[in-house]
Amino acid sequence: NAGVTQTPKFQVLKTGQSMTLQCAQDMNHNSMYWYRQDPGMGLRLIYYSASEGTTDKGEVPNGYNVSRLNKREFSLRLESAAPSQTSVYFCASSEALSGYTIYFGEGSWLTVV
Amino acid sequence: DQQVKQNSPSLSVQEGRISILNCDYTNSMFDYFLWYKKYPAEGPTFLISISSIKDKNEDGRFTVFLNKSAKHLSLHIVPSQPGDSAVYFCAASGAGNMLTFGGGTRLMVKP
Repeated sequence: NAGVTQTPKFQVLKTGQSMTLQCAQDMNHNSMYWYRQDPGMGLRLIYYSASEGTTDKGEVPNGYNVSRLNKREFSLRLESAAPSQTSVYFCASSEALSGYTIYFGEGSWLTVV
Repeated sequence: DQQVKQNSPSLSVQEGRISILNCDYTNSMFDYFLWYKKYPAEGPTFLISISSIKDKNEDGRFTVFLNKSAKHLSLHIVPSQPGDSAVYFCAASGAGNMLTFGGGTRLMVKP
């Protein structure tokens, strides 16, 4: 059971480079999310997609863009990476935005030097 | 303004004893509460949930208690095992609100 799959698992970027984190879920969920987790901090929502065709900003959207490519896939793009974006990124999905369990991917470790 | 708070960043418990992790929330519209467990280098995994129509939900060694009047929930792990050592996040949602996470509590179970 794949669940939520995100790639790459590890990435090192130079400041100013761009990259895209890919995420796919096979649970036919409507809602998808991107979170980041920094040392000593909880999970902070970057962007979310309530359903296919919609995206909205979360708590910390600056420096990121997202694309809900279809119902399965939700990508996160860093246009010009900054050291402050060094973090662990988690993609997640749920049946709907409210009242449902969110299921997470295994994480993507990103270092910006 | 943090709507879900875990005031203890860490907790250390002896193997075999009870672990009690606490969580407070401020939004009275929340009606669905969850606990997640997170090991290093892995994504958070769903552990147990409770809806506001209940005050207790049990799953094996894990029990979640909900006190709606105090806007407080707790996770009890009995007996605690070394493999339970992880970061635990509580989360809440409801009334159209997305799941909101607390800051996490690191549990260390000593053999």
